[in-house]
Amino acid sequence: QLVLTQSPSASASLGASVKLTCTLSSGHSTYAIAWHQQQPDKGPRYLMKLNSDGSHSKGDGIPDRFSGSSSGAERYLTISSLQSEDEADYYCQTWGTGIQVFGGGTKLTVL
Amino acid sequence: QVQLVESGGGLVKPGGSLRLSCAASGFTFSDNYMNWIRQAPGKGLEWISYISSSGSTMYYADSVKGRFTISRDNAKNSLYLQMNSLRAEDTAVYYCAREGTTLVGGVIITTKALDYWGQGTLVTVSS
Repeated sequence: QLVLTQSPSASASLGASVKLTCTLSSGHSTYAIAWHQQQPDKGPRYLMKLNSDGSHSKGDGIPDRFSGSSSGAERYLTISSLQSEDEADYYCQTWGTGIQVFGGGTKLTVL
Repeated sequence: QVQLVESGGGLVKPGGSLRLSCAASGFTFSDNYMNWIRQAPGKGLEWISYISSSGSTMYYADSVKGRFTISRDNAKNSLYLQMNSLRAEDTAVYYCAREGTTLVGGVIITTKALDYWGQGTLVTVSS
């Protein structure tokens, strides 16, 4: 079964960097994913599509502070030079035949 | 610029029906697969359905199969979600989202990544 696992919460200080993790279920380690950001009381916003080799393509207007990387079944979103507006929920998304799957989301707190 | 605007949400009694719409602009609507995703209050995102660019293929999450129907009108640049037999657990903000496309050998194919989202419309199922 295709499942994405994310830690429920993360925190980091203003100006620092943070690395969020999304883990693909067993047997799905080659799958690409997408990362989305959802700021409080807003709709989700697409950040990037991230492939298993770490290559990624970002959405329109996404700052260079956001980057992605991969290792095995893990997909990472790194946000550098954290700003207050980065405080949000971050979701990973993947897909199979006839299905889209979301991770449970990580709530990022900027201290 | 790409815009997706949902409408049609509201308060409905259990067992009732509602039809959501998503008006698309700023891109060639008929090129893209489209999805509906919902978010219950305080919860995460739940995919519920997608439809192919031509409208010939649809898929549904088990939680809505047999009750919800996705459709599209490419001439009107619009996506729809007909929701029947609504339950309290269907209460959520409903988003439409576009799958991105890429050109491969001169053919437009979907990337499956949801690259644009609407702002959502709230559906409340309550007596």
